[in-house]
Amino acid sequence: DQQVKQNSPSLSVQEGRISILNCDYTNSMFDYFLWYKKYPAEGPTFLISISSIKDKNEDGRFTVFLNKSAKHLSLHIVPSQPGDSAVYFCAASVEGRDDKIIFGKGTRLHILP
Amino acid sequence: DAEITQSPRHKITETGRQVTLACHQTWNHNNMFWYRQDLGHGLRLIHYSYGVHDTNKGEVSDGYSVSRSNTEDLPLTLESAASSQTSVYFCASSPYLEGGITGELFFGEGSRLTVL
Repeated sequence: DQQVKQNSPSLSVQEGRISILNCDYTNSMFDYFLWYKKYPAEGPTFLISISSIKDKNEDGRFTVFLNKSAKHLSLHIVPSQPGDSAVYFCAASVEGRDDKIIFGKGTRLHILP
Repeated sequence: DAEITQSPRHKITETGRQVTLACHQTWNHNNMFWYRQDLGHGLRLIHYSYGVHDTNKGEVSDGYSVSRSNTEDLPLTLESAASSQTSVYFCASSPYLEGGITGELFFGEGSRLTVL
């Protein structure tokens, strides 16, 4: 039973345009959400997070939106750059606890020149 | 610079052998974790530790063990390797914050294990 779902295995976006990565979750107890980025042959790196008390969090080109009623979050990257090509993992946790982080399967983002 | 390192980066072993994957961090983080990444599953938690001599089972702990004798190291041992344990293993650490809420894990580069 997948609690964190990333239904798009891959996504291609033109350089300079907006990339939107989507994530759905089923557990209403999740109260902290995160995005990680992963390059090949490297470990994931933390990108951005959002608490369930907010509906938006912004960090430079990256914005995460949370829709609690729909149990949906999305990561927007504007403008997309070649270095953004990577696998993006959506993750969620209960009570913000590190040992309760559940990861999605990931979405591979390709930024096209 | 502080970092987290895993060794070996690649390992091929045979079914039934004992294997130990090392994880060493110089962040001085209290919290350390082991994950495995498999196609179609994302990252799944194997074991974790919130401090010296503390170890806890994660979602997929069967066939694995860890020990925490100091802050820096959390070795992962496969007592009797099985083909189902062929995977990429990631170690991670995070700082203890009051209330235990961080969400920001610092990952190693991964260890690719093949069990034949």
